[in-house]
Amino acid sequence: DAKTTQPPSMDCAEGRAANLPCNHSTISGNEYVYWYRQIHSQGPQYIIHGLKNNETNEMASLIITEDRKSSTLILPHATLRDTAVYYCIVRVYNNNDMRFGAGTRLTVKP
Amino acid sequence: NAGVMQNPRHLVRRRGQEARLRCSPMKGHSHVYWYRQLPEEGLKFMVYLQKENIIDESGMPKERFSAEFPKEGPSILRIQQVVRGDSAAYFCASSTGTQETQYFGPGTRLLVL
Repeated sequence: DAKTTQPPSMDCAEGRAANLPCNHSTISGNEYVYWYRQIHSQGPQYIIHGLKNNETNEMASLIITEDRKSSTLILPHATLRDTAVYYCIVRVYNNNDMRFGAGTRLTVKP
Repeated sequence: NAGVMQNPRHLVRRRGQEARLRCSPMKGHSHVYWYRQLPEEGLKFMVYLQKENIIDESGMPKERFSAEFPKEGPSILRIQQVVRGDSAAYFCASSTGTQETQYFGPGTRLLVL
């Protein structure tokens, strides 16, 4: 699976949009981009995933660049409860193994 | 709509004892995955099981660790003769199929004294 690069930490003001970048410059054509988050050592929580097109659900939006070498997870209105470590994972669709890196520690501040 | 269930949530063992961790997948899910998270590290894949079959155990330590997912009942991750280095959080995930999204349980925190 392709390797991902994320900033180790970010801050965001409560109520503002949180934009979390992920670089995956070696991604292959059959690899999806997945985002999970882990709140204070709880189990990872699935957020969203995509292949080429931008995706949106009730939690977040995923913007994937046209060349697919990077993506951005957007939390439109961050709350204090969104403070967590966010993991960007590139995964072949039928691969059993989700490769979790170090992630980005997002801190939402009042 | 219960999610993935794991028990116990916390487990304390002395060196040399056995640890048994249980995972009940989400309703309708027949694929189970186990991951381990050492302190201050990311999750590492251990094993992938379907009912009664181990599909991929490439991340399992060669000794002392075993996993099963019987026809009836939860998946079990078993660690024999635990050592202090086994202290970690163990997470189980489940999915409806190999190609589908994995959903994680709350984890079992194992502490070996």
